[in-house]
Amino acid sequence: EDQVTQSPEALRLQEGESSSLNCSYTVSGLRGLFWYRQDPGKGPEFLFTLYSAGEEKEKERLKATLTKKESFLHITAPKPEDSATYLCAVQARYGGATNKLIFGTGTLLAVQP
Amino acid sequence: GAVVSQHPSRVICKSGTSVKIECRSLDFQATTMFWYRQFPKKSLMLMATSNEGSKATYEQGVEKDKFLINHASLTLSTLTVTSAHPEDSSFYICSASRGGGWENEQFFGPGTRLTVL
Repeated sequence: EDQVTQSPEALRLQEGESSSLNCSYTVSGLRGLFWYRQDPGKGPEFLFTLYSAGEEKEKERLKATLTKKESFLHITAPKPEDSATYLCAVQARYGGATNKLIFGTGTLLAVQP
Repeated sequence: GAVVSQHPSRVICKSGTSVKIECRSLDFQATTMFWYRQFPKKSLMLMATSNEGSKATYEQGVEKDKFLINHASLTLSTLTVTSAHPEDSSFYICSASRGGGWENEQFFGPGTRLTVL
C-alpha cells in the first residue's frame, strides 16, 4: 500500500535555528513528490515538486531534497513567519495517467522570536 | 494565474440538513477537480476525483450518496453533504487541475469549514 510518513509531528525552533523535516514514502513507482505549506484555516500552498532521486530545489530559506525513499525539507535560519504546517505528498503510478496525490500527516513548525 | 476559490468559507448547519460547497477555477479550465477533507491536526484525505461531464470517482470508504459531487462545467464543481451530522464537521478542500494526467499540477482552494450542530 502506498504510504507517506512525516516526522516529526511537531517542531519548535528558535528564530535562526536551522533544522530539517522528513518525509518517508513507500509507493509503487514515484512520479513526483510535492511539498506544501498550510497556514491554519487555509488551503495548501505549493512549494516544490521533485521528480527524481538526487534532485534539489530551493526557495528563500527552504531547500527540498529527494532520495529513493525519503525527502527532506531543510529550513535555514527560520523566521517566525515560517511557522506553518508543512505537508508532503506523492504522486504514484496507478497503472494509468493520473495526478492523484497521497498526503502525509504534516509537520507543525513553530518558530519563536 | 491558477486561482481556485471556494464558497462558502465557513458554514454552520443543523443536523439533518444538506450543505452545498462550490469550488471554482477562476482563470483556467479545470478538467479534473479533487475533493479532500481534513480533520484537526490531520492530513488531507482524498474523497473523490471528478472529471468534467462525467461521474465522480470516490475513494474507498466514502459514501457516494452522502457526498454528492457535480462537475458540470470546466470551472465549477460542487460538493453536497446530504443529511449532515456532527461527524461530518470538517475542513473541506478542493483542488483543480487542467487535466487528469500526472503532469498536471493541482491548485488548491482555500477550504470550507463545515460545522454541523
